[in-house]
Amino acid sequence: SYVLTQPPSVSVAPGQTAILTCGGDNIGSKSVQWYQQKPGQAPVLVVYDDNDRPSGIPERISGANSGYTATLTISGVEAGDEADYYCQVWDGDTDHQVFGPGTTVSVL
Amino acid sequence: QAQLVESGGGVVQPGGSLRLSCAASGFIFNSYAIYWVRQAPGKGLEWVAVVAYDGNSKYYSDSVKGRFTVSRDRNTVDLEMKSLRSEDMGVYYCAKGSSDCTSCNEWFDLWGQGTLVTVS
Repeated sequence: SYVLTQPPSVSVAPGQTAILTCGGDNIGSKSVQWYQQKPGQAPVLVVYDDNDRPSGIPERISGANSGYTATLTISGVEAGDEADYYCQVWDGDTDHQVFGPGTTVSVL
Repeated sequence: QAQLVESGGGVVQPGGSLRLSCAASGFIFNSYAIYWVRQAPGKGLEWVAVVAYDGNSKYYSDSVKGRFTVSRDRNTVDLEMKSLRSEDMGVYYCAKGSSDCTSCNEWFDLWGQGTLVTVS
């Protein structure tokens, strides 16, 4: 089965840039999504199809995907960006959806 | 306004059964796949099951296949859970797929608030 890897945590100072990674075998050939989840809340889609943003998601959140790593970049980090972030892909070989283990973003 | 509302969670003994429901409104229900995603306490997200737009295609994670059954009717999607184990415990979310799951290469663009299942 397809496996995604994410670092457990990332810490960043306010105003700086957070770069979150999502690793997988030839992930560049897949469509990658990112979800933000704050404590006690349901996940929210922040990036889909590698680098598109749903309406209402600020431009300072962006995605990229190439080779074996997809990235989510949060520019000008704010306290409100503190959350868990999950990447997700579809494994066409098994018709299974796959989530990464998640990365906790802490704002210093 | 598009919305998903889960219900049916509760406390069940190991080996028991539970039926969760997801009520959809504010979008064309018959055009989209509906997913179930769960989250164990303090853990990450885990995909559980999906039912395609027409109810004809259904897929399950290996951890629940043979024990869980997903179905849809009118504006509701149900998840029938049997032979429940401690590892099935957590918050269960239903989520709307971005497409109909003709190919399930899609994303989850609307989530419910979740319903808690406790196996004890």
